[in-house]
Amino acid sequence: NAGVTQTPKFQVLKTGQSMTLQCAQDMNHNSMYWYRQDPGMGLRLIYYSASEGTTDKGEVPNGYNVSRLNKREFSLRLESAAPSQTSVYFCASSEVPSDTQYFGPGTRLTVL
Amino acid sequence: AQTVTQSQPEMSVQEAETVTLSCTYDTSESDYYLFWYKQPPSRQMILVIRQEAYKQQNATENRFSVNFQKAAKSFSLKISDSQLGDAAMYFCAYRRRDDKIIFGKGTRLHILP
Repeated sequence: NAGVTQTPKFQVLKTGQSMTLQCAQDMNHNSMYWYRQDPGMGLRLIYYSASEGTTDKGEVPNGYNVSRLNKREFSLRLESAAPSQTSVYFCASSEVPSDTQYFGPGTRLTVL
Repeated sequence: AQTVTQSQPEMSVQEAETVTLSCTYDTSESDYYLFWYKQPPSRQMILVIRQEAYKQQNATENRFSVNFQKAAKSFSLKISDSQLGDAAMYFCAYRRRDDKIIFGKGTRLHILP
């Protein structure tokens, strides 16, 4: 039982490049989330998917897109990376939105 | 708009002592959920405790307990018998009715041996 997995763990991009962060959970959870964590800012919600087939914007969605591929997988795409997107990205899942969230190990992204 | 405030960026406590981390939130909702998460140096986010606003009884998990004051919109975390492994960033979080989760900026807790 791996819980929530994220790939890659580290990534360096140049400004303007695109990439997709992958997230998968094996707990049969309905809800999935993407956060970014910046120093002194705590975690901020980028997008979430309360259930398969739905996605909604969070607090800081600009510059990102998401895809809930199936119940297990929820990807985050940066179409044209900017230095302001340098951050640590966390994926999380929960049975339902009111339940405990289980987090992945994070992806440290640097945009030069 | 809902906000979550953790007024103590850093705190220190002697091993085996008790420490309380404060959290206040602003909301007009009556039914919601509150959480405390721990992030050790490994960066892994781990749930410490969860409170449902409609429950008056304070949640407790072993050495961790909360003081939930709904009218005051306060949700503090008490750690008893502090251990070295408790050293971490602690985040308070609020779940809105539209399922969005708002996190505070965190409190870094140091445990002094």
